[in-house]
Amino acid sequence: NAGVMQNPRHLVRRRGQEARLRCSPMKGHSHVYWYRQLPEEGLKFMVYLQKENIIDESGMPKERFSAEFPKEGPSILRIQQVVRGDSAAYFCASSGGAQRETQYFGPGTRLLVL
Amino acid sequence: AQSVTQPDIHITVSEGASLELRCNYSYGATPYLFWYVQSPGQGLQLLLKYFSGDTLVQGIKGFEAEFKRSQSSFNLRKPSVHWSDAAEYFCAVGANAGGTSYGKLTFGQGTILTVHP
Repeated sequence: NAGVMQNPRHLVRRRGQEARLRCSPMKGHSHVYWYRQLPEEGLKFMVYLQKENIIDESGMPKERFSAEFPKEGPSILRIQQVVRGDSAAYFCASSGGAQRETQYFGPGTRLLVL
Repeated sequence: AQSVTQPDIHITVSEGASLELRCNYSYGATPYLFWYVQSPGQGLQLLLKYFSGDTLVQGIKGFEAEFKRSQSSFNLRKPSVHWSDAAEYFCAVGANAGGTSYGKLTFGQGTILTVHP
């Protein structure tokens, strides 16, 4: 049973470009969460999605950031017009089944904005 | 709002010594509590979790944690540390189903563990 998969593992973008981060949840999981880890900081919640629905986006910056989890395919975290402050590790987690409260994390995408 | 405090940013122990990492939480009801471990450049691995029942929970790699409601704590322990335990450890609290922030985990700042031979 494959775990949570994220790609790319590393992403380099120049200021003003777009970044697309992908997350495939564990098999059988229908809940996806995105977290951001800034240097020297802990993980901060960004958004919680179920298939085709955003459940909680209270941690998402108001501008330039969006997330989706379509009926088919991976969840996408999209950052438009990236700035240097967006450089961070972005982690996806998934949950599902009988223990929806337990989140399993992917390896993360390290975004570097030049 | 829920919050987690890990008072120790960095802890150094000798291999074979015992370990306790502290975690204090703030949450209005009975929380769901987790400990995760992160090796450099890696994702987070779940060590153990507490939902209800026995307040002493066992996890992987010989770790255990004790939930103490009166102290709002969920400290992680290991009787004998191995060099491979060197990593960063995160305590997290989640809301139970039906809570207004259900689904969202709130993490502490993390504790970096260094193990000396």
